[in-house]
Amino acid sequence: QSVLTQPPSASGTPGQRVTISCSGSSSTIGSHYVYWYQQLPGTAPKLLIYRNNQRSSGVPDRFSGSKSGTSASLTISGLRSDDEADYYCAIWDDSLSGPVVFGGGTKLTVL
Amino acid sequence: QLQLQESGSGLVKASQTLSLTCVVAGASLSSSDSSWHWIRQTPGKGLEWIGLIYASGKTYYNPSLKSRVTISADRSKTQFSLKLTSLTAADRAVYFCVRGLLGAFDIWGQGIMVTVSS
Repeated sequence: QSVLTQPPSASGTPGQRVTISCSGSSSTIGSHYVYWYQQLPGTAPKLLIYRNNQRSSGVPDRFSGSKSGTSASLTISGLRSDDEADYYCAIWDDSLSGPVVFGGGTKLTVL
Repeated sequence: QLQLQESGSGLVKASQTLSLTCVVAGASLSSSDSSWHWIRQTPGKGLEWIGLIYASGKTYYNPSLKSRVTISADRSKTQFSLKLTSLTAADRAVYFCVRGLLGAFDIWGQGIMVTVSS
């Protein structure tokens, strides 16, 4: 049971907008940047969003991140079939000694 | 372009020690803005951070694994390593070596599957 809570699954149809949540506490999300990773089947995770809402290089602007209080969200607009993947939120402050914490992951299905 | 590649034994007997190495191509382990991590993923489950090593050589480990983990670096060979002792079936996982940069894990190795045999 991770200290960062994500819904185990989410789904949408092509073209829809889907939001994946990541819930924490004042000592986790409330006081750290949030990062989002996408893991396509059989591959290593890939950085999507860093520092709450900054897209990593090459990530389409269909992907956006936000944070409010002790929760964060990843929104995917214009859903595509190749967005079907597992998505993980994470927190870690590089200035601290860790530990790094991942959410349990959300499996996104494109119907 | 920075690339990471894990290598090591994919099959380890229970109670023995796992040894993995990550070769870093295209970057220096001495870079002060980077940290070097091991992360694992158990089959069908999520990601678990194992630990990290900084350019200074300072290491930090997941408290749940700390008593069994050692991460070290060989800067002359541009590689860093993981040792995990007293393996059990619960340690069966895909192990990734990863670069940390400004709090993000921006470069991942392809991962190596580790199986624990009885």
